[in-house]
Amino acid sequence: GENVEQHPSTLSVQEGDSAVIKCTYSDSASNYFPWYKQELGKGPQLIIDIRSNVGEKKDQRIAVTLNKTAKHFSLHITETQPEDSAVYFCAASIPTTGQNFVFGPGTRLSVLP
Amino acid sequence: GAGVSQSPSNKVTEKGKDVELRCDPISGHTALYWYRQSLGQGLEFLIYFQGNSAPDKSGLPSDRFSAERTGGSVSTLTIQRTQQEDSAVYLCASSFDRNNEQFFGPGTRLTVL
Repeated sequence: GENVEQHPSTLSVQEGDSAVIKCTYSDSASNYFPWYKQELGKGPQLIIDIRSNVGEKKDQRIAVTLNKTAKHFSLHITETQPEDSAVYFCAASIPTTGQNFVFGPGTRLSVLP
Repeated sequence: GAGVSQSPSNKVTEKGKDVELRCDPISGHTALYWYRQSLGQGLEFLIYFQGNSAPDKSGLPSDRFSAERTGGSVSTLTIQRTQQEDSAVYLCASSFDRNNEQFFGPGTRLTVL
């Protein structure tokens, strides 16, 4: 089955710097790759997603890149702000029956003022 | 419109008691997922419902855990004879179909004394 790895597990950056979180997946059939942000005491919320027919997607300070050949995708946050501090989860989705979403273990991002 | 709601938000119970956790998904969403999140950990898949298909129960940790989804809408996760290791946040998510964004509820924090 699908396996998603995520690195680093924790990341601290200075406010204004960029942050990059990387994920790898194992199943080449995966075709949907969302990123979720979870703030303390809340459920995860989608911040950006990408499908396998696209290599890059941007939304203001957030971008996601996908390399299907290498089976990895990355989240890039530029000009980080304290409110970006949270846990970020990547996921890979396979268009098949049964449970099709596999989440990475998460990255705790701290943006230091 | 309304998002995914879960009740109760917090539940404290004694070891050995049964508990029921409720999830109201977004109207029209055919897919519904239950996850468990221990403190500071990632998302552990429990069970997945897709339309009228048989649920994917492959993530349920023991036969003390069960879930149902009535009328393709509301879902209830039941934990029988609770143990201290069941203490966690239980998250519910729904999506329009299997390969799209999951919308998460706020979770139910279960504490087993």
